[in-house]
Amino acid sequence: AQSVAQPEDQVNVAEGNPLTVKCTYSVSGNPYLFWYVQYPNRGLQFLLKYITGDNLVKGSYGFEAEFNKSQTSFHLKKPSALVSDSALYFCAVIPPDSNYQLIWGAGTKLIIKP
Amino acid sequence: DAGVIQSPRHEVTEMGQEVTLRCKPISGHNSLFWYRQTMMRGLELLIYFNNNVPIDDSGMPEDRFSAKMPNASFSTLKIQPSEPRDSAVYFCASIHKGKANEKLFFGSGTQLSVL
Repeated sequence: AQSVAQPEDQVNVAEGNPLTVKCTYSVSGNPYLFWYVQYPNRGLQFLLKYITGDNLVKGSYGFEAEFNKSQTSFHLKKPSALVSDSALYFCAVIPPDSNYQLIWGAGTKLIIKP
Repeated sequence: DAGVIQSPRHEVTEMGQEVTLRCKPISGHNSLFWYRQTMMRGLELLIYFNNNVPIDDSGMPEDRFSAKMPNASFSTLKIQPSEPRDSAVYFCASIHKGKANEKLFFGSGTQLSVL
């Protein structure tokens, strides 16, 4: 079965430190890959996506993600965390020929401490 | 554009009552999705429409749930009768499939509490 795994329920980082939120996927072919962020009491907001091309994708709010095909990973990163980055982060993939049916990870709660 | 608009933002109702959630997608988008989010099950796709036609409703939990999209600018998700276990946040999302830079836009959600 096709799936997306976010192995950490919660990630704690001190403000100013680099952060990584992990995502791995099990999908055949070449999927589209996404990261979304959800702030409290809000809907999900698009951060970035990988379709093709450069493996390092830059997105909103200083976030970036690196696509690694051999490891089937798409980890989200930021060089210097802000307290305002604290939120719930979702990784999602669209398998090829899936009619845009996203497969979502369970989400990772990111807590940035001052 | 105002984005995807959902109403109401909050709904509190009693078990057995009918609940109707509403969604206005972004103008020009041709696909619409209804999701449910709970702590236990995370984000679940309930149903999605392409060009106002339901394509996959396999995520709809029971016959008590129904969704319609009478035109390109409006969709409803109805629960009748409602039960406490339906309490969740319900999100609507839309996208224009086929555009080069397509991405899913979400509404702010409806927080449903069934007592």
